[in-house]
Amino acid sequence: DAGITQSPRHKVTETGTPVTLRCHQTENHRYMYWYRQDPGHGLRLIHYSYGVKDTDKGEVSDGYSVSRSKTEDFLLTLESATSSQTSVYFCAISEQGTGPNTEAFFGQGTRLTVV
Amino acid sequence: GEDVEQSLFLSVREGDSSVINCTYTDSSSTYLYWYKQEPGAGLQLLTYIFSNMDMKQDQRLTVLLNKKDKHLSLRIADTQTGDSAIYFCAESIRFNKFYFGSGTKLNVKP
Repeated sequence: DAGITQSPRHKVTETGTPVTLRCHQTENHRYMYWYRQDPGHGLRLIHYSYGVKDTDKGEVSDGYSVSRSKTEDFLLTLESATSSQTSVYFCAISEQGTGPNTEAFFGQGTRLTVV
Repeated sequence: GEDVEQSLFLSVREGDSSVINCTYTDSSSTYLYWYKQEPGAGLQLLTYIFSNMDMKQDQRLTVLLNKKDKHLSLRIADTQTGDSAIYFCAESIRFNKFYFGSGTKLNVKP
């Protein structure tokens, strides 16, 4: 298994509170991604990073921010959590380039419930 | 976002073949992938195909790509109960961004 650790694995939080999810990798891969998984929608890209301090928005970025101050860590922050952000969040990593190295490796997921 | 579409459910009997279909819209896709997700777990890569190939076989798995119709399929031969999972197709395009379909839940009946 690729060395990807997501924390926490489960969290329940109240509407309006800030929440930060952490993704830590030991593979030194350049690209890191945050996805959310919801029934009927598959995985939707929230934000991604193509290097330290280099990030960009995905399909569903509203209400989320990210930071990458080190190669190994990619943080996803919900500034003010809403019930619509209840979801399972997956972090993924991939190397740069074409070929099989573009494969994405996934973490185990974080189940976030906003009440 | 990019549109990657799959049917939501498929049910087969053990020993039969399963065929999971996917359509995508971005013709600049370089690689197309099939991922498997078991309950409570992350996604794991099953197989992939380069966009200039028509077919790839990997043991019980056969991937067919029709680039003209932007149609991808995954055939699982001799389907087993352990194959029950959600299967996602995905495409990689610019800047190594991956777009996933909604997933097909495969149910294998004994």
